[in-house]
Amino acid sequence: SQQGEEDPQALSIQEGENATMNCSYKTSINNLQWYRQNSGRGLVHLILIRSNEREKHSGRLRVTLDTSKKSSSLLITASRAADTASYFCATDAWGAQKLVFGQGTRLTINP
Amino acid sequence: DSGVTQTPKHLITATGQRVTLRCSPRSGDLSVYWYQQSLDQGLQFLIQYYNGEERAKGNILERFSAQQFPDLHSELNLSSLELGDSALYFCASSVDSNLPGGTNYGYTFGSGTRLTVV
Repeated sequence: SQQGEEDPQALSIQEGENATMNCSYKTSINNLQWYRQNSGRGLVHLILIRSNEREKHSGRLRVTLDTSKKSSSLLITASRAADTASYFCATDAWGAQKLVFGQGTRLTINP
Repeated sequence: DSGVTQTPKHLITATGQRVTLRCSPRSGDLSVYWYQQSLDQGLQFLIQYYNGEERAKGNILERFSAQQFPDLHSELNLSSLELGDSALYFCASSVDSNLPGGTNYGYTFGSGTRLTVV
């Protein structure tokens, strides 16, 4: 079963625009992570935000976490064609010993 | 190259057969995780090993088994294969110790093994 639910399932924008993806989850977490997957390839870790953090930045990425609403968002600013990929949120719940992934958002950046 | 090596990259086999997928974790990582990715089920956690011991089990079928060897490489064995087992199988590793508080770092994924059962 998936803990994370991502919204939207697919997003298509023009190069240079910002892309926002949302993730909702169900249980208490230790941290939440975002991963990128290019078509048919392995997942790449982007950023980790702990349950006591509200916002985190890494380059053009900004992640927010609202534990009261059990939700997170990933913002990619000034998008590039190379950002075209699927993006997954993953939750690390206390004692779970594993990451549980959402279904992902398929992002397409049009040149 | 992520540092996690999975072999083979592609595997085509017939129903009823048995296959072994191999994973070498990133140097220094003690934890190995196996995931199955299919179009209809998404990324499903199968099993985790930490320093040779099984630590967590997910939606892993009884026909599937895994182990982690003393050199920390891991193998996932899939037997009595069915058409529905066709999927991408990923191995991931992490540096964390196995504390209940969870991981402090992300996972490093291999490039996966694409299994096609015909």
